[in-house]
Formats: sequence, C-alpha cells, structure tokens
Amino acid sequence: QKEVEQNSGPLSVPEGAIASLNCTYSDRVSQSFFWYRQYSGKSPELIMSIYSNGDKEDGRFTAQLNKASQYVSLLIRDSQPSDSATYLCAVNMPRAGNNRKLIWGLGTSLAVNP
Amino acid sequence: GAGVSQSPRYKVAKRGQDVALRCDPISGHVSLFWYQQALGQGPEFLTYFQNEAQLDKSGLPSDRFFAERPEGSVSTLKIQRTQQEDSAVYLCASSLVTRGDAFFGPGTRLTVL
Repeated sequence: QKEVEQNSGPLSVPEGAIASLNCTYSDRVSQSFFWYRQYSGKSPELIMSIYSNGDKEDGRFTAQLNKASQYVSLLIRDSQPSDSATYLCAVNMPRAGNNRKLIWGLGTSLAVNP
Repeated sequence: GAGVSQSPRYKVAKRGQDVALRCDPISGHVSLFWYQQALGQGPEFLTYFQNEAQLDKSGLPSDRFFAERPEGSVSTLKIQRTQQEDSAVYLCASSLVTRGDAFFGPGTRLTVL
C-alpha cells in the first residue's frame, strides 16, 4: 500500500457541479493534511490545510478529514473550467522520522467541462 | 520578496556536469524544503532545513546530491556528476516554523543529456 493514495483520474465534471477528490493515507499518527493544486507546467499551489477531524470551508472549497478512516477529501462547489488541474494530497508522516516531512500522492487530474 | 524564487528556471546539463540550483525563500520563513518532481508524479521529498540546520536529508537519492543553507535564508541544491535519471523539476518550498502551510517556488527544470 502506498503511503498516500489518490485516484489518478481523470475526473470529469460539468461546469457548476461539485467535484469530489479523495485521498487515503497509511500512517495513523499523521496530523497535518494539505491539498495543493498544480496546473500543467507550474508548481503546486496550496488550496487547503486541515489538522482536525471534520470539515473546513474556504470559499468554494471544503476539506473533510476523518482520522479514524484515514481519509481526507476535497470538495469543490460550483466547479469552473479554471479549476481544471491536478490536485495533490500531502500528509505529514511522523513515523518517517520528521514531523515536517510531507508524503505526496500522485495527484488526481480534474477536468471541468464548460 | 513576495514569494519563493528559484534560479535558474531551466538548466540543461551534459551528463557528468555539476549543477547548482538556488532557492530564495519567503522572508521570515525558517523552514525550507527541497523536492524532486518527475513528470506525472507527485513531489518527492529530498531534504529539509530549519534555519541553517539541515534536519532531514533522508530523501537525497545519492551522495552526489548536497544541499546547504549557510545563513538560514538562501539555499543551494548541488548535484555532482549529473546523470540522466536526475532530469526532473526541482521544487523549493518554505514555511513558517509554527505552521504547516508550505509555499512553493516556480521550480527549476533540469534536463541532463
């Protein structure tokens, strides 16, 4: 099992719909969870960070964390074509020996169709 | 500066050449990270600094890779005797020590011929 897993996609949604991106992780003691957006040829851009169970909302974005299930998701409401990108999930891995070290998923490609 | 900057943006090296990649973090950010990203992959951790101290270098793939941050600000990633498998985008990120949010620079795309 990979340490951080995401469906590679592509996930295709119509404009205005809700896009749901999922991520599972292997280390039960992970404490910090991040969603980054990466456009083709660009560097990752932080979208959301979440540290405690439950939902965290920021504009059209909602991160959901369930530590018992080792699952973190990102919902994008009212999806826009400009949301089309690869979404990367990153999780800290204390067992890796460094609490600040992030392990990254391979990313989910999202396409929002006009 | 307003964000993390990296230079050069693109580097083409002949196999066996040494290269040096520079990262200027956001002012005041004490944590600095280097990542390697291959095409279609997520970033892979290389090394981490807190101020000038290199606290974790477990991700450096071989002893040809060396990173430093002598004054706790600018960092340099050096790759000696480059190989074709070193071709990738090298990303630098910085963050405040008390927060986990890391901000990335534009990356350096290294191509080894």
